[in-house]
Amino acid sequence: QKEVEQNSGPLSVPEGAIASLNCTYSDRVSQSFFWYRQYSGKSPELIMSIYSNGDKEDGRFTAQLNKASQYVSLLIRDSQPSDSATYLCAVNKQGAQKLVFGQGTRLTINP
Amino acid sequence: ETGVTQTPRHLVMGMTNKKSLKCEQHLGHNAMYWYKQSAKKPLELMFVYNFKEQTENNSVPSRFSPECPNSSHLFLHLHTLQPEDSALYLCASSQEPTGGETQYFGPGTRLLVL
Repeated sequence: QKEVEQNSGPLSVPEGAIASLNCTYSDRVSQSFFWYRQYSGKSPELIMSIYSNGDKEDGRFTAQLNKASQYVSLLIRDSQPSDSATYLCAVNKQGAQKLVFGQGTRLTINP
Repeated sequence: ETGVTQTPRHLVMGMTNKKSLKCEQHLGHNAMYWYKQSAKKPLELMFVYNFKEQTENNSVPSRFSPECPNSSHLFLHLHTLQPEDSALYLCASSQEPTGGETQYFGPGTRLLVL
């Protein structure tokens, strides 16, 4: 079982709709969760971090964490063509010095 | 310069060459990282440095040799590489090396080994 799993996609969503990206992780003691966005040919940039169960909203982005079910998701409301990118989920265990990344989900927003 | 910078941005080398990748962070962070990103694979952590000291080596072959002279600079020395080492090499930094901190990435060096 992979430590962090994401559907590689591609996920196609019409402009203006809600894009939903999911991530599951295997280690129950994971404490910190991150969503990074990576445009083609560019480096990853942080979108959201979440540490507690529930929802965390920032503009059009909402991260959702459910530690009991070991999943974290990212919702993008009012999707724009500029949201087209690969979204990387990253997970960290308490006390560990490293992030473990999923392979990413490629999202395409269709005008 | 701001953020995390990397040079060169592109590198082509033969299997017998020796080259070095350079990373510099202007964020006042204490931790620096090297990652490898290959096509269709997750980002792989290679090395972690905290205050110039290496704290993690993720079973990286010895043909990759990191160097961290101070908390702002990180190098990756390359020698006798294989074609399968062709990838995007990303440097990142964070305030502390706890993994719970946000990591900021440089633009990467795209490496092609012939």
